[in-house]
Amino acid sequence: QSALTQPPSASGSPGQSVTISCTGTSSDIGYYDYVAWYQQHPGKAPKLMIYEVSKRPSGVPDRFSGSKSGNTASLTVSGLQAEDEADYYCCSYAGYSVEVFGGGTKLTVL
Amino acid sequence: EVQLVESGGGLVQPGRSLRLSCAASGFTFDDYAMHWVRQVPGKGLEWVSGTSWNSGSTGHADSVKGRFTISRDNAKNSLYLQMNSLRSEDTALYYCVKDMQPDIFGYFDLWGRGTLVTVSA
Repeated sequence: QSALTQPPSASGSPGQSVTISCTGTSSDIGYYDYVAWYQQHPGKAPKLMIYEVSKRPSGVPDRFSGSKSGNTASLTVSGLQAEDEADYYCCSYAGYSVEVFGGGTKLTVL
Repeated sequence: EVQLVESGGGLVQPGRSLRLSCAASGFTFDDYAMHWVRQVPGKGLEWVSGTSWNSGSTGHADSVKGRFTISRDNAKNSLYLQMNSLRSEDTALYYCVKDMQPDIFGYFDLWGRGTLVTVSA
């Protein structure tokens, strides 16, 4: 069970798009389509933004989208807004009832 | 109100045990898998343990395997985490988390506010 790999930071200006990557292995992201993304603002509990690679829960803006290719999943935030500044975490099922998170990416809106 | 409320955290010495509890309300508890996720303040999220709707499937992170045990009581709408042989590296905020699915998928759509566990002599 190794943590998924995310860049520690990402940034973009308001209105721009930014993509955050999440790299795993052929035993987690590469094998299962059970990838989720979470947004966490300081002092708050995480919020589910994307599940099953690319599905959005009710209430999540369609500016947030997810995809997967091989062992890497990606979260794209389009039309960046100030309130998107937060930490983002990916999570994947890794088999045998085990989940694994990424290390997190701090998104800064310039 | 749909919510998860954790309890049982506190200061404990290394090597001792602690049992966390989570009370669920506002949804049909036994329809969903449940998990514990922890976070060292200022650090990232770490999945700790998960259990399916009927306890038929359970999993633990390698970092806690053999020391922590997750369980649930559907009649009491409650989730538990028995933590034995605690180490300083177990110090963290522990979140009780609901899955969107009855089995372990990792789609955490409801989070508690967390209970702080501090392991120190």
